[in-house]
Amino acid sequence: EVQLVESGGGLVQPGGSLRLSCAASGFTFSSYWMHWVRQAPGKGLVWVSRVSNGGSATNYADSVRGRFTISRDNAKNTVYLQMNSLRAEDTAVYYCVRNMVQGAIVDFDPWGQGTLVTVSS
Amino acid sequence: QTVVTQEPSLTVSPGGTVTLTCASSTGAVTSDSYPNWFQQKPGQAPRALIYSTSNRHSWTPARFSGSLLGGKAALTLSGVQPEDEAEYFCLLYYPAAQPWVFGGGTKLTVL
Repeated sequence: EVQLVESGGGLVQPGGSLRLSCAASGFTFSSYWMHWVRQAPGKGLVWVSRVSNGGSATNYADSVRGRFTISRDNAKNTVYLQMNSLRAEDTAVYYCVRNMVQGAIVDFDPWGQGTLVTVSS
Repeated sequence: QTVVTQEPSLTVSPGGTVTLTCASSTGAVTSDSYPNWFQQKPGQAPRALIYSTSNRHSWTPARFSGSLLGGKAALTLSGVQPEDEAEYFCLLYYPAAQPWVFGGGTKLTVL
């Protein structure tokens, strides 16, 4: 079964740091781009970051660039999101998502169950 | 900053047809934007419905169809069922430093 399981969320003070992990199973992890998407309470989905299948290419949303770092360990089938200088507006459920890119076919599935990050003093 | 716009809310009667749209602030949405559509029900993670404009996943009911319509991406539900009540999000690609942008979501009510 193809599965993504996030972990590492929790309560952190403004200005603090947190590292999220997303463990993948059931597929050849190193063949896929991986993304992080977040959703603030009661709000919509916001794309956060992506990493290429080999890990050499990364992109970030303007709102997190310079504070967040995405990385992956293909030997451990895990993608990470290091979040520094956290702000109250970073409070959200963070989802990791698998991204298949095959010519004109681009899809985002599956999604993990999400991990809640709360930034508050 | 690129903005992707969806109808905030729509209401449809059971058995009816409704079209949700996804517009880009940069101009017409094309297949090169690889439009993806997702369904999210309260308390659940999003679920993929449509990829690359019009392709259904194996679990996506045939009553859901994706297309390009009048310069926008569109998701049409035909023969709406009560279980289709949910929030729907589109996702578009841009060849830029921030390559993917979600729409604000459409809350669909079946009434």
